Amino acid sequence: DTEVTQTPKHLVMGMTNKKSLKCEQHMGHRAMYWYKQKAKKPPELMFVYSYEKLSINESVPSRFSPECPNSSLLNLHLHALQPEDSALYLCASSQDDRGKYNEQFFGPGTRLTVL
Amino acid sequence: AQSVTQLDSQVPVFEEAPVELRCNYSSSVSVYLFWYVQYPNQGLQLLLKYLSGSTLVKSINGFEAEFNKSQTSFHLRKPSVHISDTAEYFCAVSDDSGGYNKLIFGAGTRLAVHP
Repeated sequence: DTEVTQTPKHLVMGMTNKKSLKCEQHMGHRAMYWYKQKAKKPPELMFVYSYEKLSINESVPSRFSPECPNSSLLNLHLHALQPEDSALYLCASSQDDRGKYNEQFFGPGTRLTVL
Repeated sequence: AQSVTQLDSQVPVFEEAPVELRCNYSSSVSVYLFWYVQYPNQGLQLLLKYLSGSTLVKSINGFEAEFNKSQTSFHLRKPSVHISDTAEYFCAVSDDSGGYNKLIFGAGTRLAVHP
């Protein structure tokens, strides 16, 4: 299985809602990532989990809260988002977060719209 | 820190014509290079990677890229494009200057293949 899955595919939420994005991989990868991608732009790294521990937070606002329940799952909890947070949220995984093993496999993304 | 420059934001080309998408990176001691493709409303798919060894790497669908250390380039080429190659292409480099490997993306090149 060389797939990264993400749910839901689309999400519309109001600024007062609480929602979660989910990501799953069964490749035995020990590093998982959240990216945000705006239209016609490259992905921007948000968080990196390495061996289920948060290793990198790229100065992301606290309204985004990541969680790694186990080595196969990655969640992104959303609360009190702003319309400018509307974007494609991509999850990725890699064997490790070092060197050549940083070949990342991406999921299809969740298209988030904040009203 | 690494940076990646994709010189062309858009490349229009006719079907069956050759194409080259350019990518330059800033130099580093250890560098691992990737090309990702993103079709509309989808996540990123790994197209090619250079980790070590032969400087010419090839994909299963006819793309190839050559790692040129002296010119710090990793240009993507295809001798004859198909309509289905229309997509956004991102060049990326793995950077270890921060103590862990972070994938640095270029701004992307939109390849538009016309009949």
